[in-house]
Amino acid sequence: AQSVTQLDSQVPVFEEAPVELRCNYSSSVSVYLFWYVQYPNQGLQLLLKYLSGSTLVKGINGFEAEFNKSQTSFHLRKPSVHISDTAEYFCAVSDQGYGGSQGNLIFGKGTKLSVKP
Amino acid sequence: SQTIHQWPATLVQPVGSPLSLECTVEGTSNPNLYWYRQAAGRGLQLLFYSVGIGQISSEVPQNLSASRPQDRQFILSSKKLLLSDSGFYLCAWSTDRVSPNSPLHFGNGTRLTVT
Repeated sequence: AQSVTQLDSQVPVFEEAPVELRCNYSSSVSVYLFWYVQYPNQGLQLLLKYLSGSTLVKGINGFEAEFNKSQTSFHLRKPSVHISDTAEYFCAVSDQGYGGSQGNLIFGKGTKLSVKP
Repeated sequence: SQTIHQWPATLVQPVGSPLSLECTVEGTSNPNLYWYRQAAGRGLQLLFYSVGIGQISSEVPQNLSASRPQDRQFILSSKKLLLSDSGFYLCAWSTDRVSPNSPLHFGNGTRLTVT
């Protein structure tokens, strides 16, 4: 079974500062990795996804994430945040196997990013 | 393009009353459909998923049920709501088993408050 840990429940940061939102996972099988963003009172929107290949994945809105297999991490980064980036960010994993459940996406508990002027 | 519609956006219901939340997907056929619940500080919990008409899998025992009467329609129901059913309910779809080629796409959610 997989699990996802987002170590920081809240991250306050000033506008134009860099930010890193941490995500660690555990799994006994190979996984796919995702980051989703949720703006207030809205559904989740896919930010980026990792399948294979380059460990640095670029997503929408200037975000990127780096897959580190040895550390089982998939941290999300942005070099300069905007007020509009204020939202909750969810890391998620799904296993690459085909023998298990179709409901196979496991989410972390989320990190609330608050960008201050 | 594909779109997902979820309604109502907000709902306030008394304890013991019934519940029906509806979700429809347009622009795709035979999608996988999902109901998630989001409670404060607890992340997203998968409640039900469906791979086809009439096929429902329940992930956690609870006071809720789900049905899929049509290919692109997914309904979340309860006969008698409990206070603990309050939360933000999200419907989602994917083309197949979740993967980078088949990611989840979410609706805008329903905020349910049971009083």
